[in-house]
Amino acid sequence: EVQLVESGGGLVKPGGSLRLSCAASGFIFSSYSMNWVRQAPGKGLEWVSSISSSSSYIYYTDAVKGRFTISRDNAKNSLYLQMNSLRAEDTAVYYCARDQVAAAGTSERWGQGTLVTVSS
Amino acid sequence: QSVLTQPPSASGTPGQRVTISCSGSSSNIGSNTVNWYQQLPGTAPKLLIYRNNHRPSGVPDRFSGSKSGTSASLAISGLQSEDEADYYCAAWDDSLNGPVFGGGTKLTVL
Repeated sequence: EVQLVESGGGLVKPGGSLRLSCAASGFIFSSYSMNWVRQAPGKGLEWVSSISSSSSYIYYTDAVKGRFTISRDNAKNSLYLQMNSLRAEDTAVYYCARDQVAAAGTSERWGQGTLVTVSS
Repeated sequence: QSVLTQPPSASGTPGQRVTISCSGSSSNIGSNTVNWYQQLPGTAPKLLIYRNNHRPSGVPDRFSGSKSGTSASLAISGLQSEDEADYYCAAWDDSLNGPVFGGGTKLTVL
């Protein structure tokens, strides 16, 4: 069974840092592109970042460029999101999502999400 | 403000057919396929329709999608109470090099 389990969320002060992790199981992790998608409280979905299966291609939404870094460890079946210089507007549930094969941006499997709250 | 435009709400009675629209531009819907996601209350999103009109395994054929030009729509026939959820359209955007989402449509089954 495909499983994506996020962790690492929590309360952090503005300007602080947090590292999110996503543990994948039930599929060949190294064969899939992965994404982080966030959802602010009561708001819609917003794509944050994508990474290709071999980490060759990495993309970010403009709002997080220069502050967030996506990475993956295929040997550990894990996806990460290093978040620095956090702002109040980064407060959201962060979902880890797996793309369909050869279908960038089509997130066919999602984790349950981890809540990040940026507040003083 | 979301890149793709959806109505904030829609409603219908059990058994009815409901459609949800999604409007974009030449850099997203106009040149790429459209996906639809369903988010039940308190849960993670779920892929409902991909590549404009394909259903993942397990999605009932009551759900269908279509696309024309820079717009797309999701149709739900034989509406059921369990269809009450938020629905999001999405498409790859060539300018942003990533997927963009609609603001979501909250479907209420009366």
